[in-house]
Amino acid sequence: DTAVSQTPKYLVTQMGNDKSIKCEQNLGHDTMYWYKQDSKKFLKIMFSYNNKELIINETVPNRFSPKSPDKAHLNLHINSLELGDSAVYFCASSRRAGHTDTQYFGPGTRLTVL
Amino acid sequence: DAKTTQPPSMDCAEGRAANLPCNHSTISGNEYVYWYRQIHSQGPQYIIHGLKNNETNEMASLIITEDRKSSTLILPHATLRDTAVYYCIVINQGAQKLVFGQGTRLTINP
Repeated sequence: DTAVSQTPKYLVTQMGNDKSIKCEQNLGHDTMYWYKQDSKKFLKIMFSYNNKELIINETVPNRFSPKSPDKAHLNLHINSLELGDSAVYFCASSRRAGHTDTQYFGPGTRLTVL
Repeated sequence: DAKTTQPPSMDCAEGRAANLPCNHSTISGNEYVYWYRQIHSQGPQYIIHGLKNNETNEMASLIITEDRKSSTLILPHATLRDTAVYYCIVINQGAQKLVFGQGTRLTINP
């Protein structure tokens, strides 16, 4: 009964490939997020969706495309993977958009691009 | 959003209180102080937050100075499982995103 789950946990792929990471939350939250944590351990927000609508899009290359088929899911598709995309990607959710709501994070997906 | 300054690392003995400081001298009146932590190989976990008053929950206590320019997170009886990176985040009332700094790497020693 994990609150925020991500698949896969590990992803190893070659440069130039296209890959997807899936995220699901069973908390009934309206808002979901994608964060990237690089090798220096900096954790930065990439996207946020509220009720399936994009509300935050940080300066992320357009090779990254989030998709939210419903409130409980926010998937991340990455085209033409590059070495610099290697990182741990965390999905999170909160009851609604806004700082006052606690964000619940998933376990992360470690992406390695060779 | 106000910047925060935290020591890069701290050590604490198991069973003792761990006091983690955070400086946020440029905080403005409508900015909240949040604490999250990230245990190795896991996603960040919310701990506590406050505006002006001291706060306490089952995990920790948050002490905010009267001028709000600094705060301290207190883990009253630290255990080995509290070893993690602790992030102090100051957020504007209208903000929709968390901005993580480098945090404090807290090591609890047996």
